[in-house]
Amino acid sequence: SQQGEEDPQALSIQEGENATMNCSYKTSINNLQWYRQNSGRGLVHLILIRSNEREKHSGRLRVTLDTSKKSSSLLITASRAADTASYFCATDAVGNEKLTFGTGTRLTIIP
Amino acid sequence: SQTIHQWPATLVQPVGSPLSLECTVEGTSNPNLYWYRQAAGRGLQLLFYSVGIGQISSEVPQNLSASRPQDRQFILSSKKLLLSDSGFYLCAWSQGRRETQYFGPGTRLLVL
Repeated sequence: SQQGEEDPQALSIQEGENATMNCSYKTSINNLQWYRQNSGRGLVHLILIRSNEREKHSGRLRVTLDTSKKSSSLLITASRAADTASYFCATDAVGNEKLTFGTGTRLTIIP
Repeated sequence: SQTIHQWPATLVQPVGSPLSLECTVEGTSNPNLYWYRQAAGRGLQLLFYSVGIGQISSEVPQNLSASRPQDRQFILSSKKLLLSDSGFYLCAWSQGRRETQYFGPGTRLLVL
């Protein structure tokens, strides 16, 4: 089964609202990464958070990591139409040494 | 700066025909290279990764193979395509196994 699984699978919100996506994983990790994919395109790296970090910010993005709950969340504040995309978490599990991607959350921002 | 190229962007092939997808990276040396496949609306499945020239690790048994003839070139091949090989193929590179991966634009393959 997937190491990382995003929730919800799909999310639609009005432009200007905040969007929150969650990622749960099963085993201990070295780091967790979030990526974005526009339809039919390659993935773009957003943020990497290491296992000893609890929160990171990048512009309108905020990522939290709770290793005790084996979960992470990605918050996009003040959403824009251009944020419409699929968002994936990827985990680097201890002992695995490669990234495992989740199935993604499809985010739609309604203008 | 580093760039990654993939071609072709789109490919329609008949069942049983051969396949060759190419990926090249510029602006870095000795990258880790990856081939992923993404089914429609799904996550990424790692197919192959390489830590150096001629070093290929296969993640899942399949109809595909990979080669790395040069440091910054990664090729995905098949001798005979199956219908189930249809999908979106993504190449990526990273400096280390645990670090950020940078993806190419992808190749959409349709096997008919």
